[in-house]
Amino acid sequence: KQEVTQIPAALSVPEGENLVLNCSFTDSAIYNLQWFRQDPGKGLTSLLLIQSSQREQTSGRLNASLDKSSGRSTLYIAASQPGDSATYLCSPQGQNFVFGPGTRLSVLP
Amino acid sequence: DTAVSQTPKYLVTQMGNDKSIKCEQNLGHDTMYWYKQDSKKFLKIMFSYNNKELIINETVPNRFSPKSPDKAHLNLHINSLELGDSAVYFCASSQTQGVGSPLHFGNGTRLTVT
Repeated sequence: KQEVTQIPAALSVPEGENLVLNCSFTDSAIYNLQWFRQDPGKGLTSLLLIQSSQREQTSGRLNASLDKSSGRSTLYIAASQPGDSATYLCSPQGQNFVFGPGTRLSVLP
Repeated sequence: DTAVSQTPKYLVTQMGNDKSIKCEQNLGHDTMYWYKQDSKKFLKIMFSYNNKELIINETVPNRFSPKSPDKAHLNLHINSLELGDSAVYFCASSQTQGVGSPLHFGNGTRLTVT
């Protein structure tokens, strides 16, 4: 059974900082890993999807990497902004579709 | 224009009632899902359908029954509602269940059982 952890559980940073969110999973038999953001009271917005054969994906200030063999993914956010404040969830996708518990990010102006 | 749409957005009902949540996707995807997000914000998959066929059925009380009349719709029926059913329910879809096929989520239905 796939187990997913995300570290840290919560993070508060001043605007402009670069930051790294971590995702670990126990079953490396996945075909994708997807990162989402969730704003309070809202649905999930897809940020990046990394296929199992890929090592990383980039979109604007976001960069996600995947090391499938070690069961790890990181989401790098450059030059953070207050609008980045949200909960970030990772989802390794294979036989089952599971989500991590999320990292709650606050970027202070 | 909404890719994955759920109705209603909010649902308040009493214990023991039966209710339904509807989900439609206009993305032409083959696979649809129901997720439950509890008060601690954990997202857990409940069901997955591929081309109207059930492919994932996690440990969910049989009071919950998904119905897929066609591959663009996946409705969730809940019988004899209990207080513990209060949560946000999300519908999602993907092109297939495979490589390079991202999940797309609806905005959720907040169910409150009193």
